[in-house]
Amino acid sequence: GESVGLHLPTLSVQEGDNSIINCAYSNSASDYFIWYKQESGKGPQFIIDIRSNMDKRQGQRVTVLLNKTVKHLSLQIAATQPGDSAVYFCALYSGGGADGLTFGKGTHLIIQP
Amino acid sequence: GAGVSQSPSNKVTEKGKDVELRCDPISGHTALYWYRQSLGQGLEFLIYFQGNSAPDKSGLPSDRFSAERTGESVSTLTIQRTQQEDSAVYLCASSLTGTTKAAQYFGPGTRLTVL
Repeated sequence: GESVGLHLPTLSVQEGDNSIINCAYSNSASDYFIWYKQESGKGPQFIIDIRSNMDKRQGQRVTVLLNKTVKHLSLQIAATQPGDSAVYFCALYSGGGADGLTFGKGTHLIIQP
Repeated sequence: GAGVSQSPSNKVTEKGKDVELRCDPISGHTALYWYRQSLGQGLEFLIYFQGNSAPDKSGLPSDRFSAERTGESVSTLTIQRTQQEDSAVYLCASSLTGTTKAAQYFGPGTRLTVL
């Protein structure tokens, strides 16, 4: 089966700096990817998604990059703010079988003042 | 419009008791999903409903777990004879469709504690 992993469990950045959160996946058939933000005590909040026919997509202060060759996904947050502190999950559809998302374990983003 | 809502927000029960968790999806969303999240972990898929089709139960961890959905509306997740390892946050999500991949929107979750 596929696996979804994150390179670092915790990422600490200075307020105002850019943050980059990485995610690796193993199922080359995955064609839809989503980044979620989860604050303490809340459900995951949709941030941005990307389909496999794209390699970059931009939102408000966020950019998702997809490298299908090395099966790598990243989330870039520009000018990180205190409100960006949360756990960030990458998720992908596993294709065939269950239609639920497969989630990584998450990266905890900590903003230093 | 309103997001996904879940109730109760917290549930404490004794081992061996049955519990029911409720999810109200976003109006118009045909697909509904249940996940479980253990402390500090990612989300584990449990079950998926799409319209009037038979649900995909492939993620349910045991036959103590079951779920129902009324049409394209409310869903209840039932855990019978709860065990301590059932303690987790149970999250519900809905999306516009499950047949073409679409973003899922999550509720706040129900934190279940089995003593």
